[in-house]
Amino acid sequence: GENVEQHPSTLSVQEGDSAVIKCTYSDSASNYFPWYKQELGKGPQLIIDIRSNVGEKKDQRIAVTLNKTAKHFSLHITETQPEDSAVYFCAAPSAGTSYGKLTFGQGTILTVHP
Amino acid sequence: NAGVTQTPKFQVLKTGQSMTLQCAQDMNHNSMYWYRQDPGMGLRLIYYSASEGTTDKGEVPNGYNVSRLNKREFSLRLESAAPSQTSVYFCASSEWLLQPQHFGDGTRLSIL
Repeated sequence: GENVEQHPSTLSVQEGDSAVIKCTYSDSASNYFPWYKQELGKGPQLIIDIRSNVGEKKDQRIAVTLNKTAKHFSLHITETQPEDSAVYFCAAPSAGTSYGKLTFGQGTILTVHP
Repeated sequence: NAGVTQTPKFQVLKTGQSMTLQCAQDMNHNSMYWYRQDPGMGLRLIYYSASEGTTDKGEVPNGYNVSRLNKREFSLRLESAAPSQTSVYFCASSEWLLQPQHFGDGTRLSIL
């Protein structure tokens, strides 16, 4: 099955700074890499995803990059704002299973200080 | 725009009791899922339904059953609750199979 490692577990930045969260995965056949944001007391929210046929995808202040050779993908948030404070999860599918289930990382608690 | 609605939001059960967690989505999605979230363990898939009339086991199905009542609704049942099932349960839906997009706000379940 897939093994997904997410780092760092906590990240504290000043408003306006950039934040980067990195995930590594083990299954070279994995082809879909989503990122989720979870605010306190809420369910996860899909914020961006990338497929293995592209190396980078951007959506306003957030971007995801994928390095298939090294088997890692990263979430980049620029010009951080206090409302970006949340727990962020990466995920990757395990192509070795019969249904390609997503395996989630352990989460990164991002705190943006005003 | 309701999205994914879960009921109840909180529940306390005694060991051995049964209950059903309800989930409904209004986005006409084919695929629906049940996850549990435990500290330090991330989200783990319990069961999923690729389409109306079908259900399949996920990573941690033991102790649970599900029903895909119609395209909108997907329920999770605990027949005989155990303390190990204390968790936060999330329902999700998506257009594409196994790419969950929209999650409900969760049911916080405590089993004493």
